[in-house]
Amino acid sequence: GAVVSQHPSWVICKSGTSVKIECRSLDFQATTMFWYRQFPKQSLMLMATSNEGSKATYEQGVEKDKFLINHASLTLSTLTVTSAHPEDSSFYICRPGQGRETQYFGPGTRLLVL
Amino acid sequence: EDKVVQSPLSLVVHEGDTVTLNCSYEVTNFRSLLWYKQEKKAPTFLFMLTSSGIEKKSGRLSSILDKKELFSILNITATQTGDSAVYLCAVEQGGSEKLVFGKGTKLTVNP
Repeated sequence: GAVVSQHPSWVICKSGTSVKIECRSLDFQATTMFWYRQFPKQSLMLMATSNEGSKATYEQGVEKDKFLINHASLTLSTLTVTSAHPEDSSFYICRPGQGRETQYFGPGTRLLVL
Repeated sequence: EDKVVQSPLSLVVHEGDTVTLNCSYEVTNFRSLLWYKQEKKAPTFLFMLTSSGIEKKSGRLSSILDKKELFSILNITATQTGDSAVYLCAVEQGGSEKLVFGKGTKLTVNP
């Protein structure tokens, strides 16, 4: 299956700071990257879809100015949580799109904002 | 509105029991249905189903899809404590590759 890495695996930050999460596809080129968020005891919620070389598409209710997505290459997509607040504390997971092989998730990043 | 409904939401069994998890869906432009196992980390892929009536099997786990009735089941036989997890069902939409998730079934297997 597809190999996907995320960095960092967990991060603790102060309220008001920005946090960047990287998602890398290690053995294939991902033209699309899906970013999800999962709060405790809830299912995964799609936040946005990024496409290499173009602007990301955000789901309804997700602030594009707060969650900045960059997909500058076919192997790297980043999600930056700007001016993080405690309510942004969550589990952030990426999933590359690559034609038929779309079933694998990255290992996730746990964010705790104090 | 696209939706995926899983039942039961939680289930407690004893080791050795057999369990059946259910997933029904109403999703536009169906491409495939996927099952995942999630412990305290990112979901782990179990099965992808695209055709009706063809059982997929991996050890004690098996799954089947009914595209006419719009549902799938995940069976786990001879359950073990290590099977304790949340099992997620998701439907992939053709074209967009988006996944629509159900709320999950929390399975607890007691020794």
